[in-house]
Amino acid sequence: GAVVSQHPSWVICKSGTSVKIECRSLDFQATTMFWYRQFPKQSLMLMATSNEGSKATYEQGVEKDKFLINHASLTLSTLTVTSAHPEDSSFYICSADGLAGVGNEQYFGPGTRLTVT
Amino acid sequence: GQNIDQPTEMTATEGAIVQINCTYQTSGFNGLFWYQQHAGEAPTFLSYNVLDGLEEKGRFSSFLSRSKGYSYLLLKELQMKDSASYLCTPVGNTGKLIFGQGTTLQVKP
Repeated sequence: GAVVSQHPSWVICKSGTSVKIECRSLDFQATTMFWYRQFPKQSLMLMATSNEGSKATYEQGVEKDKFLINHASLTLSTLTVTSAHPEDSSFYICSADGLAGVGNEQYFGPGTRLTVT
Repeated sequence: GQNIDQPTEMTATEGAIVQINCTYQTSGFNGLFWYQQHAGEAPTFLSYNVLDGLEEKGRFSSFLSRSKGYSYLLLKELQMKDSASYLCTPVGNTGKLIFGQGTTLQVKP
């Protein structure tokens, strides 16, 4: 149980275009989903926290107008990278938390590798 | 502030035992996770400690001392597939996972 999927697993897009990444919890309802970004040989950086039906909370330094997050249902959150640029090329990983409260295990999706040319 | 300190790299031999130490500082504490991350993949869950002591799960064990802000991950009977990064990940009072650089373990034959 507790499987999280991401789609697509990799994507190449041209500079200036937008890319949407989906994160789904397959066998549980996720009250909270998290979006991370990881550059090569660096640690995971939390970008934003999204709760179903409410606006996402973005970490300091993350542009909310550039990284649009929608958490429309308890099993789906989407991250849209708008007007992508080469510096947005990274490994984007989502995770889902099925329980309320803190200290719960987050189940990670397999990640999406974005390359902007 | 929040800080995680663990060795950047470690090398061990197949079949051996290795201990990866971690010290941390967080604003509040709601447990500590250890994750394994292979290159190019997402992290996978290894263990979770919220109380002091040792948690054993197969070849992997994790220890926590909250008063010392210290944890370790013990890997026994090392296999080549254990070559990966190991992430000591405390949870602060915000409920968010705090990731550091992790320890890259290389297992040699």
